[in-house]
Amino acid sequence: GENVEQHPSTLSVQEGDSAVIKCTYSDSASNYFPWYKQELGKRPQLIIDIRSNVGEKKDQRIAVTLNKTAKHFSLHITETQPEDSAVYFCAASKQGAQKLVFGQGTRLTINP
Amino acid sequence: NAGVMQNPRHLVRRRGQEARLRCSPMKGHSHVYWYRQLPEEGLKFMVYLQKENIIDESGMPKERFSAEFPKEGPSILRIQQVVRGDSAAYFCASSPMMRQGGTEAFFGQGTRLTVV
Repeated sequence: GENVEQHPSTLSVQEGDSAVIKCTYSDSASNYFPWYKQELGKRPQLIIDIRSNVGEKKDQRIAVTLNKTAKHFSLHITETQPEDSAVYFCAASKQGAQKLVFGQGTRLTINP
Repeated sequence: NAGVMQNPRHLVRRRGQEARLRCSPMKGHSHVYWYRQLPEEGLKFMVYLQKENIIDESGMPKERFSAEFPKEGPSILRIQQVVRGDSAAYFCASSPMMRQGGTEAFFGQGTRLTVV
């Protein structure tokens, strides 16, 4: 079955700098890749997603890139702010399977 | 749109008791998923249901766990004879009709189960 690896497990950046989180997946049939942000004690919230027919997607300070050949995708957050501090999860799913397979999560801390 | 509603938010059970977790999907969503999250860990898929059908239960433990999504009412995740290792946050997510290439899933607030 699908396996999603996420790195790093923790990331600390200065406010205003950029943060990058990377994920790799194993199943070449996967074609949907969402990213979730989870604050302490709260629900995972979808922040951006990308489908396999697209190489990059941007939404304000957040962007996601996908390399289908290498089977990896990345989350980029620019001009980080304290409210970006949270745990971020990548996930993958494929048509017909629907279930999301999650990475292990990255705890992002923005230092003021 | 109230979003995905889960209740209770917190549930304490003694070892051996039963736990029932409820999930009402977003309006217009016909697909429900249950995930389990252990402390400091990621989300692990448990089961995927549509109305009156279990589509994928590959993540469900073979014993003590069951799930349903009846024609009327919320989806229920049932854990019988709970043990300490069942303590976790259980999240429900819902999505609309399947579209090509996967579909967005929106999560509820979760039920935090503590077994004492």
